[in-house]
Amino acid sequence: AQSVTQLGSHVSVSEGALVLLRCNYSSSVPPYLFWYVQYPNQGLQLLLKYTSAATLVKGINGFEAEFKKSETSFHLTKPSAHMSDAAEYFCAVRGSNDYKLSFGAGTTVTVRA
Amino acid sequence: DVKVTQSSRYLVKRTGEKVFLECVQDMDHENMFWYRQDPGLGLRLIYFSYDVKMKEKGDIPEGYSVSREKKERFSLILESASTNQTSMYLCASTLTGTNTGELFFGEGSRLTVL
Repeated sequence: AQSVTQLGSHVSVSEGALVLLRCNYSSSVPPYLFWYVQYPNQGLQLLLKYTSAATLVKGINGFEAEFKKSETSFHLTKPSAHMSDAAEYFCAVRGSNDYKLSFGAGTTVTVRA
Repeated sequence: DVKVTQSSRYLVKRTGEKVFLECVQDMDHENMFWYRQDPGLGLRLIYFSYDVKMKEKGDIPEGYSVSREKKERFSLILESASTNQTSMYLCASTLTGTNTGELFFGEGSRLTVL
């Protein structure tokens, strides 16, 4: 079974500062990993995905994530936070044999002016 | 673009009422899912379906049932709503055979049970 753990339920950053959201996964098979973003009163939107093609994955809105197998991690970063990045972020994992995603508890990002 | 439409954005129901949450996708996806979202718990899978008339239990199926009579439509049913089912419900779909299985989500249905 696959699972993910997101470290930190809330992250507060200043505008222009680095955003770092942590995600560790547990999987018995090579995983597919995802980061989704949810803006208030909306559904989830895909930020980026890891599918074993490259360990550094670039997504939308300037976000990127690095897959580190030795650390079972898939942390999300953005070099310079913007006010529009305020949202909730979810890490998710699926195995190679089905289509179900298992989600982390989410991290809420607040951006200070 | 893939469109997943949930029929009701906000619902208020009373304890014991039967509740239907409808979800329709327009991209001919075989796989459809119902998740429940609660603060601090993330998204938890209630039921999913790999094909018409097929359904499988997810992690928290108790108190829920589903119906998939047509490929594009996946309904979540609360036979007798209870206050602990107050939550945000998210429908999602994906195509079989892709190498990633990215889920496409609807905008959610926020249910309040009084």
